[in-house]
Amino acid sequence: EVQLVESGGGLVKPGGSLRLSCAASGFIFSRSTMNWVRQAPGKGLEWVSSITASSFDTNSADSVKGRFVISRDNARNSLYLQMNSLRTEDTAVYYCARMAAVGGLRAGFDIWGQGTLVAVSS
Amino acid sequence: IVLTQSPGTLSLSPGERVTLSCRASQSVVSNYLAWYQQKPGLAPRLLIYGASDRATGLPDRFSGSGSGTDFTLTISRLEPEDFAVYYCQQYGTSPYTFGQGTTLEIK
Repeated sequence: EVQLVESGGGLVKPGGSLRLSCAASGFIFSRSTMNWVRQAPGKGLEWVSSITASSFDTNSADSVKGRFVISRDNARNSLYLQMNSLRTEDTAVYYCARMAAVGGLRAGFDIWGQGTLVAVSS
Repeated sequence: IVLTQSPGTLSLSPGERVTLSCRASQSVVSNYLAWYQQKPGLAPRLLIYGASDRATGLPDRFSGSGSGTDFTLTISRLEPEDFAVYYCQQYGTSPYTFGQGTTLEIK
């Protein structure tokens, strides 16, 4: 079964750190560009960060640049998001998602995890 | 790239036809524009990619069109399960931005 399963969310104080994990199965993880997307309570979707299959290239939203680091371990079929200097506005459900590829072209985010809730509060 | 979706909310009845709009502040590279459906408490679901290609298994009542800066998602005949929030996203240029969403609600 094709799936992504996030873990590592929880309650953390402002200024604290948290590391999210995303376990992939059912597809060739090592060939896929992966992403983190978040959704604050009652709000829309916000792309957070992406990493290419070989980890050669990473990108992040300005709102998290310098604080969040995306990484992956292809041997473990796992994606990570290290979140430092957390702020109350980082409170959200965090999803990992695969960037699909069809005929060598990008094809949207076709596989999503169920999400993990990060709550930043004192 | 800022994506602006309209309208914000639509109240419609099953069986009706609906067109959702997504306008980009600059041209979307390679028409890398996707549409997603999200229901409460669930992850988004990919509907359309490349502006007009349907995701695997998507009913053909869903269709996408457009290029450059103007894109639309059309549902030809609304089914009860189609009432949800719809987001467009451009994934051609980092940051891969989403629109603010359009809510389809039952009238």
